[in-house]
Amino acid sequence: AQSVTQLGSHVSVSEGALVLLRCNYSSSVPPYLFWYVQYPNQGLQLLLKYTTGATLVKGINGFEAEFKKSETSFHLTKPSAHMSDAAEYFCAVSEGHGGSQGNLIFGKGTKLSVKP
Amino acid sequence: KAGVTQTPRYLIKTRGQQVTLSCSPISGHRSVSWYQQTPGQGLQFLFEYFSETQRNKGNFPGRFSGRQFSNSRSEMNVSTLELGDSALYLCASSSGQLFTDTQYFGPGTRLTVL
Repeated sequence: AQSVTQLGSHVSVSEGALVLLRCNYSSSVPPYLFWYVQYPNQGLQLLLKYTTGATLVKGINGFEAEFKKSETSFHLTKPSAHMSDAAEYFCAVSEGHGGSQGNLIFGKGTKLSVKP
Repeated sequence: KAGVTQTPRYLIKTRGQQVTLSCSPISGHRSVSWYQQTPGQGLQFLFEYFSETQRNKGNFPGRFSGRQFSNSRSEMNVSTLELGDSALYLCASSSGQLFTDTQYFGPGTRLTVL
């Protein structure tokens, strides 16, 4: 079964600093990988996704992630943090290889705090 | 284009009762998935419906059930509520055609079981 591990349940950065949120996955087949963000009392919003092709994926709000098959990683980065980036971030993998499209497997999430 | 809507947004029930939550997908989307979010277990997949048929199911007891109507609106039902069912229930819609389709999430229904 596929699984997702997010290292660090809480990450704190200063405004303007680099944001790095770590995600590792386990999969026996090429995975589809996603990063979602959740603001308080809201649902999830897709930041970016990797399906096939270019391993560096650019998303919304200046975020990007790189798929590294050899490291089974899909870390999320943003060069310069903004106060509005404070939220909880979830990495997810899709069992699209055999199951239906709707079954996303999520990591436990990383809460990002941004200090002024 | 209107987003995914969920009703009600908040719900308080007591143990042993049953509850029905509703989800209206984005117009044109035929797939609706349901997830449970709790502080302890995180986000867990409940089930997915596509064109009125359950296409996939997670590891939840039979007390959790769902259905989808011809207009793609979906409901989930939890019978004989337990304290541990307190959670944020999220639904997500997509076209359902490709594994890579983006799932769009609603704001969730916060269920509290007393």
